[in-house]
Amino acid sequence: EVQLLESGGGLVQPGGSLRLSCAASGFTLSTYAMNWVRQAPGKGLEWVSAISGYRSETYFAESVRGRFTVSRDNYRSTLFLEMNSLKAEDTAIYFCARSAMIAGVPAHVDHWGQGTLVSVS
Amino acid sequence: DIQMTQSPFSLSASVGDRVTITCRASQSIRGWLAWYQQKPGKAPKLLIYKAASLESGVPSRFSGSGSGTDFTLTISSLQPDDFATYYCQQYNTYPYTFGQGTKLEI
Repeated sequence: EVQLLESGGGLVQPGGSLRLSCAASGFTLSTYAMNWVRQAPGKGLEWVSAISGYRSETYFAESVRGRFTVSRDNYRSTLFLEMNSLKAEDTAIYFCARSAMIAGVPAHVDHWGQGTLVSVS
Repeated sequence: DIQMTQSPFSLSASVGDRVTITCRASQSIRGWLAWYQQKPGKAPKLLIYKAASLESGVPSRFSGSGSGTDFTLTISSLQPDDFATYYCQQYNTYPYTFGQGTKLEI
């Protein structure tokens, strides 16, 4: 069974940093692209970042580019989101999410974690 | 970036109703569109992928259609469990943007 378990959320001051982790199990992390998706309180879903499988190419939303980095440790089956220069508008639940792979291309999200709350205040 | 626009923003319906939600992309995304259902306090759940493919385990009352820029999610006969918020997402080009959501209320 695929499981994604996020951790590392918490309260941080504006300008601060935080590192989120996502422990993956039930599949081989290196063969899937992975995403971070966030949801501000009472708001919709916002795609934040993705990292491809083998080559670890990274992609970011404009709202976080230059402040967030995404990485993975395939040996430990863990995905990371390093968040710097945090702003109040980064306050959200952050979901780790796996992309289905279609002919080696990242596609829709087929599994989600339960999320971890980041509060910037 | 590709903008995804859903309509309506919210919708009131009754059990047994047929409901349609639309999603429009700012440029062609071919058929690379997914629909998700989210209930309060829960992670989203995949319903439909590749515009019209039903995810395993999802009831057949859910269906999707469309290609290019215009897509629809239809629930043929609303059940009590269907009252939730629905999101579309394009995965043609990064960033894989979401629509703003449609809240389906009783």
